[in-house]
Amino acid sequence: NAGVTQTPKFQVLKTGQSMTLQCAQDMNHEYMSWYRQDPGMGLRLIHYSVGAGITDQGEVPNGYNVSRSTTEDFPLRLLSAAPSQTSVYFCASSRKGTGHQPQHFGDGTRLSIL
Amino acid sequence: AQTVTQSQPEMSVQEAETVTLSCTYDTSENNYYLFWYKQPPSRQMILVIRQEAYKQQNATENRFSVNFQKAAKSFSLKISDSQLGDTAMYFCAFMNGGATNKLIFGTGTLLAVQP
Repeated sequence: NAGVTQTPKFQVLKTGQSMTLQCAQDMNHEYMSWYRQDPGMGLRLIHYSVGAGITDQGEVPNGYNVSRSTTEDFPLRLLSAAPSQTSVYFCASSRKGTGHQPQHFGDGTRLSIL
Repeated sequence: AQTVTQSQPEMSVQEAETVTLSCTYDTSENNYYLFWYKQPPSRQMILVIRQEAYKQQNATENRFSVNFQKAAKSFSLKISDSQLGDTAMYFCAFMNGGATNKLIFGTGTLLAVQP
């Protein structure tokens, strides 16, 4: 059971480049979400999904796009990378039932924008 | 909007001793959940303990326990018999009891366990 798999683990981009951070889970979880972690600020929610075909914005959605075409995958797209998007990105998933169900986190992607 | 505040950026404790990490939150909701997550240097996010707001009894998981004061909106984590492996960043987090799984995190407390 792989859990939540994030790829890549590290990435360096130049300003203006685009890329997609991949997130896949094999637990048939309905809920998936993306967070970013910056020093001194904890984790902040970027986008989330409550099921295939349904996505919504979190606290810091600007500059990011998501889609949920399958239950398993929830990619995060940076359309035009900016230095302010340098961060560690975490994907998480869980079953329905909110707090009763534990969130499973991926190992994170460290992204640097030059 | 809900907020979570951790006022201790860093703490230190001697091995085998007890330490308490503080967390306060603000919400107008009555149905919610509170969590403590541990993030060791490996960067993994590990759930330490969970508390349902409707439960008056404080949650306990082995050496980890919480002091949940609903009226004061306080949710502290007590680590007993601290071990070197407890060295990590600890995040307090809040989740509404609605239809989504959105977590709101505090800024974290870096705990160092000294030998």
